[in-house]
Amino acid sequence: AQKITQTQPGMFVQEKEAVTLDCTYDTSDPSYGLFWYKQPSSGEMIFLIYQGSYDQQNATEGRYSLNFQKARKSANLVISASQLGDSAMYFCAMREADPGKFYFGSGTKLNVKP
Amino acid sequence: EAGVTQFPSHSVIEKGQTVTLRCDPISGHDNLYWYRRVMGKEIKFLLHFVKESKQDESGMPNNRFLAERTGGTYSTLKVQPAELEDSGVYFCASSQATGVGEKLFFGSGTQLSVL
Repeated sequence: AQKITQTQPGMFVQEKEAVTLDCTYDTSDPSYGLFWYKQPSSGEMIFLIYQGSYDQQNATEGRYSLNFQKARKSANLVISASQLGDSAMYFCAMREADPGKFYFGSGTKLNVKP
Repeated sequence: EAGVTQFPSHSVIEKGQTVTLRCDPISGHDNLYWYRRVMGKEIKFLLHFVKESKQDESGMPNNRFLAERTGGTYSTLKVQPAELEDSGVYFCASSQATGVGEKLFFGSGTQLSVL
């Protein structure tokens, strides 16, 4: 079974608007971490934000926030006030406590329109 | 501090040839991972080194793939002989530990094209 599911292969958003990238996950491990990475056209993978399974508050990092809904097993990334430089591939990922392996989704390609 | 570096950034080879990819992790990171992304698919785990030992190689597709990590420093991933389906982007990543909150630091990947 797929551990991480990203159902949006591609998305468009108008500059300065907010956008939500969907991510659902599957685990029976009570302890896990959820991550989002950005991959611009240059190829490097840039860490954006982290949410622990026991964290009570949704994680935020500048314009990025993670909408964590534990019962639904979803970890959507919200980007506020989109900028042209946000155009990239975005990967959702999960790390389980045992055995510590990282799982990735298939990614969402975000295009920000001027 | 230097990040994770990978060589080469691109490689184009013919079916049946051999290719060796190299990864230099962040200094002091005991954990080194190899991942592969085939176009449009998820990033798939290949294997995990802890220092020089293979902790988990469950993602290695077949015995045409051989990974080593000399002295627990840099790692190489050799594909011999290469097949068309081996094309994709090969990522190397490293981390200091393996706790749930430990993020992976990635290299820029090697784009492998097998013709």
